[in-house]
Amino acid sequence: DTGVSQNPRHKITKRGQNVTFRCDPISEHNRLYWYRQTLGQGPEFLTYFQNEAQLEKSRLLSDRFSAERPKGSFSTLEIQRTEQGDSAMYLCASSLDRATNEKLFFGSGTQLSVL
Amino acid sequence: TQLLEQSPQFLSIQEGENLTVYCNSSSVFSSLQWYRQEPGEGPVLLVTVVTGGEVKKLKRLTFQFGDARKDSSLHITAAQPGDTGLYLCAGYSNSGYALNFGKGTSLLVTP
Repeated sequence: DTGVSQNPRHKITKRGQNVTFRCDPISEHNRLYWYRQTLGQGPEFLTYFQNEAQLEKSRLLSDRFSAERPKGSFSTLEIQRTEQGDSAMYLCASSLDRATNEKLFFGSGTQLSVL
Repeated sequence: TQLLEQSPQFLSIQEGENLTVYCNSSSVFSSLQWYRQEPGEGPVLLVTVVTGGEVKKLKRLTFQFGDARKDSSLHITAAQPGDTGLYLCAGYSNSGYALNFGKGTSLLVTP
């Protein structure tokens, strides 16, 4: 059971630096999601990919954020010119099919701390 | 945006007690999902409720979907320390792509 893999698990960076996170979904899953979660809150939707196509982006995804999923496999989330408010857990999830009761499988997340 | 309101926000109880947490919205959902999240990990799906009035049981956990499909509840019988975690309800947006979560109920069960 390979599950959804996220790297790195933890990232500490200085304000103004760029960071990139990687997500490897479950191999046969064609749908991939990015979420952000801060302490005491539920996950907030950032963006959704179906294969390599980015089909939806939240208003939370400012111009400093960009996500890619080349060839519909792994995905990367880049944050440029990080700010302290970007500190959060970034979660990736994948699913097999957009059935009515689609189950999302989450990775363990990347904890970002911006100093 | 279809908002999901969860209550209570925090709950601390002793082992053996029963509890109920709630998930409410002014919007109708085709289905609602319940996840549990432990510290440092991603959420894990517990159950999906689909039909208005539906009741699903998962060992000591009982999930109910409101008749109007706007709310749901989770009841835990004889809570155990292993039940400790953040309980999240979630429903799909009108676009059908984004799974939106409530803020969750943080449960602590002490021995």
